[in-house]
Amino acid sequence: DGGITQSPKYLFRKEGQNVTLSCEQNLNHDAMYWYRQDPGQGLRLIYYSQIVNDFQKGDIAEGYSVSREKKESFPLTVTSAQKNPTAFYLCASSLEGGRYGYTFGSGTRLTVV
Amino acid sequence: AQSVTQPDIHITVSEGASLELRCNYSYGATPYLFWYVQSPGQGLQLLLKYFSGDTLVQGIKGFEAEFKRSQSSFNLRKPSVHWSDAAEYFCAVGYGNKLVFGAGTILRVKS
Repeated sequence: DGGITQSPKYLFRKEGQNVTLSCEQNLNHDAMYWYRQDPGQGLRLIYYSQIVNDFQKGDIAEGYSVSREKKESFPLTVTSAQKNPTAFYLCASSLEGGRYGYTFGSGTRLTVV
Repeated sequence: AQSVTQPDIHITVSEGASLELRCNYSYGATPYLFWYVQSPGQGLQLLLKYFSGDTLVQGIKGFEAEFKRSQSSFNLRKPSVHWSDAAEYFCAVGYGNKLVFGAGTILRVKS
């Protein structure tokens, strides 16, 4: 079955360390997205990519970086510059962006210890 | 700017009672509208979507939503709520190549 796989489900990071969250899809979707979710704040867009080797900043890109070297993969790196990285991170993909909605992964919960 | 408002942060209903979750949007053109549901610690699942045509849209798990252009609303309804419906619900509007999400409504179901 096609879908989006996020790994790991839980991730712990020491302050000052970079950490990379994985997102892989086999839906043949062109667009991929990263969202951050905090209680009571809904979903906030971090980065998105519409095609391979291209990506754009979302609303809260500071302290994060991404790459899109393959259509199937869109990893997110949370850098030490991110002041408050503890959150739930969701990856999504879409056939044509907003027109058809998104398919979401099951999320990664990142905790800074 | 495009925005989505879900006025109710929390809603509690009794099992078997009807449900309506409110959603208002701000968007100049004909909107693409969506409702998603999220169980704790999980991703979001699409319940239903509206592109055009019939303003009453049927979705999965017995949910429906009605698009009212004059009120800029896309409210989600269910005639009889089950305990398994307890979750967080998000309304979203398609804007260009992105979705803009509301802040969500947490549904609690009491037995």
